Amino acid sequence: EAGVAQSPRYKIIEKRQSVAFWCNPISGHATLYWYQQILGQGPKLLIQFQNNGVVDDSQLPKDRFSAERLKGVDSTLKIQPAKLEDSAVYLCASSLDEGVGTQYFGPGTRLLVL
Amino acid sequence: GENVEQHPSTLSVQEGDSAVIKCTYSDSASNYFPWYKQELGKRPQLIIDIRSNVGEKKDQRIAVTLNKTAKHFSLHITETQPEDSAVYFCAASTGAAGNKLTFGGGTRVLVKP
Repeated sequence: EAGVAQSPRYKIIEKRQSVAFWCNPISGHATLYWYQQILGQGPKLLIQFQNNGVVDDSQLPKDRFSAERLKGVDSTLKIQPAKLEDSAVYLCASSLDEGVGTQYFGPGTRLLVL
Repeated sequence: GENVEQHPSTLSVQEGDSAVIKCTYSDSASNYFPWYKQELGKRPQLIIDIRSNVGEKKDQRIAVTLNKTAKHFSLHITETQPEDSAVYFCAASTGAAGNKLTFGGGTRVLVKP
């Protein structure tokens, strides 16, 4: 079974620029999560989708971050404009359903904002 | 919201010894507690999880215990090996709002040969 795929793996941008990350979850997984992991910390949930609907985006900085999952499969996370403090690893995860089930993580996108 | 605290932040053990990592959580409604292992530059991988209707769960050299009354749970690794060196994260979820996981700050485990 293929795992969660993410791209790009690394991205370096200057502050105030825009950046987008892509995630392809495990086939058949209805629930998709985006986490932000700052160096030395645990992952923090940014947004959760159930199919193509948002379940929780309470910790998403909506003035600069946006995410979509138009067809209920792939998802993109965008930052516009980026700030220095956005430097982190952005992890995508998926699970089979909305209930209490295992979340499988992708390899992450490491973002450095200069 | 839920708050998960994890201790210690770093742990150094001799190969063959045991390692114990402890987490406390704040929301008494939490009922799912996974543990993830993250090697340097790699994705977090689930190593074991426990649900609130169980007090202990084992999988070979790894065990997790849960004390719902005290709101804490622990990871135990026995007979540690160099490949156990990694950062370990605990997490908690109430199962509501789509299984939102709140993670602890992580424990960096170093197993010395």
